Amino acid sequence: GENVEQHPSTLSVQEGDSAVIKCTYSDSASNYFPWYKQELGKRPQLIIDIRSNVGEKKDQRIAVTLNKTAKHFSLHITETQPEDSAVYFCAASRGNNFNKFYFGSGTKLNVKP
Amino acid sequence: DAGVIQSPRHEVTEMGQEVTLRCKPISGHDYLFWYRQTMMRGLELLIYFNNNVPIDDSGMPEDRFSAKMPNASFSTLKIQPSEPRDSAVYFCASRNLPGQGSSGYTFGSGTRLTVV
Repeated sequence: GENVEQHPSTLSVQEGDSAVIKCTYSDSASNYFPWYKQELGKRPQLIIDIRSNVGEKKDQRIAVTLNKTAKHFSLHITETQPEDSAVYFCAASRGNNFNKFYFGSGTKLNVKP
Repeated sequence: DAGVIQSPRHEVTEMGQEVTLRCKPISGHDYLFWYRQTMMRGLELLIYFNNNVPIDDSGMPEDRFSAKMPNASFSTLKIQPSEPRDSAVYFCASRNLPGQGSSGYTFGSGTRLTVV
């Protein structure tokens, strides 16, 4: 099955700096890569996703890049704010319906004011 | 829309007791997923349904776990008998068929299960 590795496990940045979280996957057939944000004690929420037919996607301060050849994808958060502090999970899925998500182990992001 | 609704939010039970977790997916969503989250193993897919039919239950850890979806608006995850190692947060999620937009799940608020 798919194996998704996520780094770093914890990340501390100063408010206003950028944060980058990286994930690698093992199954070259994976073609859908969502990112979830989970605040303490709350549900994971989808923040951005990318399909394998594009290399980059942006949504305001958040962007995701995908390198299919190297089988890795990254989440970029610019101008970080304290409310960005949370655990971020990457995931990979394959097939036509992207049903089984294989999640990374999570990155705890702390944005210091 | 009220989102994916799970109950109870918290459950504390004694080892050996039966536990039933409940989920109401978003109306119109054809897929329903049960996940378990622990510090050690992260988010694990237990089982998912499409149009009320179980499609993949390969993540169900043992025969003590069972899940049903009797209709499009309700699903249960049952553990019988429960063990301390079942302590985790159990999330239900739902979604439609992916279109050109987002294909991600919508998660419920989760049930925090503690087995003592």
